[in-house]
Formats: sequence, structure tokens, C-alpha cells
Amino acid sequence: EDKVVQSPLSLVVHEGDTVTLNCSYEVTNFRSLLWYKQEKKAPTFLFMLTSSGIEKKSGRLSSILDKKELFSILNITATQTGDSAVYLCAVDYGGSQGNLIFGKGTKLSVKP
Amino acid sequence: KAGVTQTPRYLIKTRGQQVTLSCSPISGHRSVSWYQQTPGQGLQFLFEYFSETQRNKGNFPGRFSGRQFSNSRSEMNVSTLELGDSALYLCASSHGSSQQYFGPGTRLTVL
Repeated sequence: EDKVVQSPLSLVVHEGDTVTLNCSYEVTNFRSLLWYKQEKKAPTFLFMLTSSGIEKKSGRLSSILDKKELFSILNITATQTGDSAVYLCAVDYGGSQGNLIFGKGTKLSVKP
Repeated sequence: KAGVTQTPRYLIKTRGQQVTLSCSPISGHRSVSWYQQTPGQGLQFLFEYFSETQRNKGNFPGRFSGRQFSNSRSEMNVSTLELGDSALYLCASSHGSSQQYFGPGTRLTVL
């Protein structure tokens, strides 16, 4: 069965801390792995990873994919209260493009 | 470019009723996917439409159906509502890649 597992499920840190969120997957026909941030309603796109070992960066956020070990990590440095959100990992697999399977998310709370 | 829009944003129904939700994708996007999000199950894929054809379907009962119109707008319908159908229903559009753009969702409450 195709699945995406995220850990931890929740995390509480203080402003300025660095956090690492994990995403492992088992899918039959991997195409890409995506990270989204969900604050209130609509998940907003962060990164899409297709190749192993190539780090994607955007400001204080970065992500890398390991296709051999079937996992990805999302790093957030110097966390701010505005980083508080649910971070979702999704994998595009099988069928036609656009078929995403999501992990349950990591709820990050950043305390001032 | 306007983002993905969904209507209505909130909906309250009673068991046994049916409901129709609407999604307008980003202009030029022909793929529309629907997801159900609940606290216990997370985001679960319902179905995907491309050029008015259902391309993929998730593991949901036949009470959940959808369609797409020639202008790429999509609707999903849930018949014979159950309490467990209470959820946030998210629509996402894409232009053919894995990257999907989500709408704000419709919060459905079934009493």
C-alpha cells in the first residue's frame, strides 16, 4: 500500500530554534515529493523535489530528498512565530500526474 | 492571476441531505483535484478531473461524485450525507505538473 509518513506529528519550539521535519514514503511509482505549509485553510506550496541530494532553499527553509532511503527532510532555521503551521508532505505517485498522497502533517508551534 | 476559488466557504447540512461544492481553478489550469481533510485522516484524495474526464479516483464510496465543465470549473457532490462526511473539502488545480495550487476549502458540517 502506498503511504507517506511524517514525523514528528507535533513539535513545540522557541523562536530562534532550528527544526527538522521528516517525511518517509513508500510508493509504487515515485515522480516527485512536495512540501506544503497550511496555516488556516489552503495549503501553500513550499518545495517540489524530484532528484536526490539536491537541496532546495527559500530563505530560512530548505529541503532535501534521498530517493535511495525514501525520505525527505524540511529544515527551518531561526524559527519565528509566523512559522507556526501544519507542514504537509505529499508524493506524486502512479497513475497520471497530479495524483498526490499526503502524510498526516507535522504541527509546528513556535513560542515567542 | 486569481487563485483557486471555492464556494461556498461554509455549509451546514443534516444527515441524509445532499450537497454540491464548486471549484474554479486558476486560469489556464485544466486539472482539478478534490481532497477531504479531517483531523484523524489528514488529507485524502477524492478524485481528479482533466479536460472534463475523471482521470483518477480515490478510495471513497459512490456517494461522492464529481464533474468538470468545459471551462475547467469543477463540482463535487455528496449524496445521502453522513456525520462522518463533516470535513474540510479542498480543491486544487494544476497545469499538468505535480505542483498543485489549493483553494481555501469548503467547511462542511453534517448535523
